[in-house]
Amino acid sequence: GQNIDQPTEMTATEGAIVQINCTYQTSGFNGLFWYQQHAGEAPTFLSYNVLDGLEEKGRFSSFLSRSKGYSYLLLKELQMKDSASYLCALGSNDYKLSFGAGTTVTVRA
Amino acid sequence: ETGVTQTPRHLVMGMTNKKSLKCEQHLGHNAMYWYKQSAKKPLELMFVYSLEERVENNSVPSRFSPECPNSSHLFLHLHTLQPEDSALYLCASSQDLTPSPNYGYTFGSGTRLTVV
Repeated sequence: GQNIDQPTEMTATEGAIVQINCTYQTSGFNGLFWYQQHAGEAPTFLSYNVLDGLEEKGRFSSFLSRSKGYSYLLLKELQMKDSASYLCALGSNDYKLSFGAGTTVTVRA
Repeated sequence: ETGVTQTPRHLVMGMTNKKSLKCEQHLGHNAMYWYKQSAKKPLELMFVYSLEERVENNSVPSRFSPECPNSSHLFLHLHTLQPEDSALYLCASSQDLTPSPNYGYTFGSGTRLTVV
């Protein structure tokens, strides 16, 4: 099975940087995904890591360390529209995608 | 437009009612999923269909009954629900059973269900 932990809430100021950590335990690793979900909307794909290291996509970057069971999502130059829930999700060898409870990020002016 | 459409967006039903949730995708995907999302909890996988065949039934109570008449449509039939079933029900799809490295699953916006 999988166990995924991420902080419940984070608050940051517009223009700042926020790092959302995700730790996991799994019996069969097959990629780590990050999703963004605004209230009342569909979760939308942000990033995918399967190898160790940093993947950068504009203002968002995601990092993975498989040996440590650890990932983070880095949001730079925060904007008000980045206020949302961020979901860490783990792919496994049995094809399923398992999710953490999500981190609610609030961006303040 | 996410490519996955769910109706209705909101539903309030009594415990003795029967209702159905609908999910539709025109992405040409072969796998479809139902997830339950409760506040402050991880998404719970309920059902998985691949090429219209159910491949996963995650110990879901029989008051939830899925139906997949074709690869583009997925239903969740509800009857005699309990108040604790109130949640956001999300439908998702993927090309095949393995989450895509390009998008994982594509989700709909969900149906907000309230059981009174």
